[in-house]
Parts: sequence; C-alpha cells; structure tokens
Amino acid sequence: QLQLQESGPGLVRSSETLSLTCIVSGGSISSSDYFWAWIRQPPGKGLEWIGSVYYTGTTYDNPSLKSRSTISVDTSKNQIYLNLRSVTAADTAVFYCARQLASGSWTFDSWGPGTLVTVSS
Amino acid sequence: QSVLTQPPSVSAAPGQKVTISCSGGTSNIGDNFVSWYQQLPGTAPKLLIYEDNKRPSGIPDRISASKSGTSATLGIAGLQTGDEADYYCGTWDSGLSVNWVFGGGTKLTVL
Repeated sequence: QLQLQESGPGLVRSSETLSLTCIVSGGSISSSDYFWAWIRQPPGKGLEWIGSVYYTGTTYDNPSLKSRSTISVDTSKNQIYLNLRSVTAADTAVFYCARQLASGSWTFDSWGPGTLVTVSS
Repeated sequence: QSVLTQPPSVSAAPGQKVTISCSGGTSNIGDNFVSWYQQLPGTAPKLLIYEDNKRPSGIPDRISASKSGTSATLGIAGLQTGDEADYYCGTWDSGLSVNWVFGGGTKLTVL
C-alpha cells in the first residue's frame, strides 16, 4: 500500500529557505502514471497547490508563489523535495505531499499526513 | 480569494441529505474534470470524487457528485456524525497559466 511521509524542520526563520522531503514507500515515483505534488494549508485556512513534479523532473508550479518554490525528485531514493525561498510568516502552514494522476482528472489520490512548518521572525 | 467558490458552511440533521456547490468558470470547471476531497479534523484530505462524479474504491454510494457548465455539486445522503468535515473541490485552471485550484472549502456540520 502506498505511503507518503513528509519530513523537515518544524521551524524556519523568516527570509530563509524552507526545505521538505517526502518519502514514498509501497510504490515507485518512477511510474509514468503519476505526478507528485506539494500542497499547503495555513492554519485554519484552505488548501493551496504549490506544484507538481514528474519522475523525469518536469514540473508545474503555482505562479502565485512568484518562482520562490523548487520541486524536485530523486528516483534512486524514491523521494520528492520542496524548497521554498525567502519565507515569511504567511508561509506558515501544514505541508502535504500527494500523488497526482498524470491524466484524466489529475486527481490527488493519495496524501501524506502532513507536516507543520512555522516561520518565525 | 479562491478561483472556485464554495459556501463557507452547510448543515443538516443526521439521516438527511446535503449538497455543497462549487462555482467556477470556463477555464476551470467548464473545461476540466472536478474532484472532491474530505478533510476530517486534524487529518489530511482524502479523495471522495474524481472525474466529476466517480467514486474511488471504498467510498460509499451515498456520496455523489455532478457537474453542469461551470458549476459542480457534491451530495452526501444519509448524513452521519462522522461526515462532519471540511470539503474541497478542485480542478485545473487552464487560463493565463496552468494552475491547479481548490475551492475555499465548506464546513459540514451534522446537527
């Protein structure tokens, strides 16, 4: 059974770079059927898609983040990464990684439990 | 301000049916499949509906969905207290730039 697990520092200083890892088990991120996505949720607010990456390294990114984000993959480790630069308090959120179908509805069909990242000043 | 508009909250009694609307435009709902997600308190979202109206394995048939034009609707019949959650619609927006968008979410209260 597919499992996704996010990990990273729970606290990041303002203006620095937030770096997270998603470890995928029970399935290969090299499958041609899926993208792998990062989605965030500020406390008490809704979901925001950050971006998605294919095993080849092809990415789609949310333009609202103004190119602050970089999503990448390491197929040898079956891991996905997120870097978010120049963070502010507004970037405080629970960050989820999710598997996304690479066709049809492009649905997010499996999610990790999420990890809370707080940006401090 | 979300591209997809959902009511902030809905409520109904146990056993009743509730519907949650998701309104968008021609570049998102009008041109792409819609999916729906349930987020129980303190947990990650879970897929309820994909490709407008299809249920993944394990989702009961009291959960239904439809789409017409630029609006989508999620229906939950035979409400149970365990259905209390936040519900989100989502789809691609193929407007000026390719972008996955979520609705603002709807809090369902089972009275």
